Amino acid sequence: NAGVTQTPKFQVLKTGQSMTLQCAQDMNHNSMYWYRQDPGMGLRLIYYSASEGTTDKGEVPNGYNVSRLNKREFSLRLESAAPSQTSVYFCASTPQAPGGGNTIYFGEGSWLTVV
Amino acid sequence: KNEVEQSPQNLTAQEGEFITINCSYSVGISALHWLQQHPGGGIVSLFMLSSGKKKHGRLIATINIQEKHSSLHITASHPRDSAVYICAVGSQGNLIFGKGTKLSVKP
Repeated sequence: NAGVTQTPKFQVLKTGQSMTLQCAQDMNHNSMYWYRQDPGMGLRLIYYSASEGTTDKGEVPNGYNVSRLNKREFSLRLESAAPSQTSVYFCASTPQAPGGGNTIYFGEGSWLTVV
Repeated sequence: KNEVEQSPQNLTAQEGEFITINCSYSVGISALHWLQQHPGGGIVSLFMLSSGKKKHGRLIATINIQEKHSSLHITASHPRDSAVYICAVGSQGNLIFGKGTKLSVKP
C-alpha cells in the first residue's frame, strides 16, 4: 500500500550542483504536484501536472523543472541549486484535475539542504 | 492579507482536553481540507468537506460556508495527537494552504 513515494528522503547539495527528486504514485491518479514547505509559510506549489503529458507552473517555479515521465511518475529537477532552495519538498497526487474537490495524497517529504 | 488564516499558531493542551483549531478564508472555495503533519513525517489528509460536518473517531470538522470559517475539533486529546494541523482550501483549480497550527498534547 505504497501511495506516493518520493526519493531521496535527505540530500545535501553544494551551490551550483544539480539533482532530481523522484516521485511515483500507485493509485492511478491523473494529477500530480510538487510543493515546497518553508518555516513560517504554508505549502507553496512549484509545478503541477493535471494529466499525463502536461505540466504547468505553480506559485514558485523559478529554478526548477519538471517531467511527467508517465502516469505514475513526476520528477522535479534543480538545475543549479541555490541556498534559497533549501526546503522540504513534497510530492502529491489527486485522482482528477487540480482543484479542491479531490482528496490529496502526499509523499513523506524530501529534506534538501543547499550549502 | 493571507487568503487562509489559521488560529492559534501554537497550542499546548493537557491530555484529555477538548481542542479547537480554527480556519478562516477569504476566497470562494470548492472544498476545504484538514491535513495532519507529524514531526519529520509526511502529510495526511484528515477531512475534505464542502458543507456541514464530518466525524472520524475523535476528530470532528465543521464548515460554515456563509461565514467562510471551518473548525477542527479533537475530543479527549492524546499525546499522539501532537502534530501540525493544516487547513487548505480549493479555489479556482488550486489548493491554498494555511501556515498550520502546531499542537502539543502533554500527558
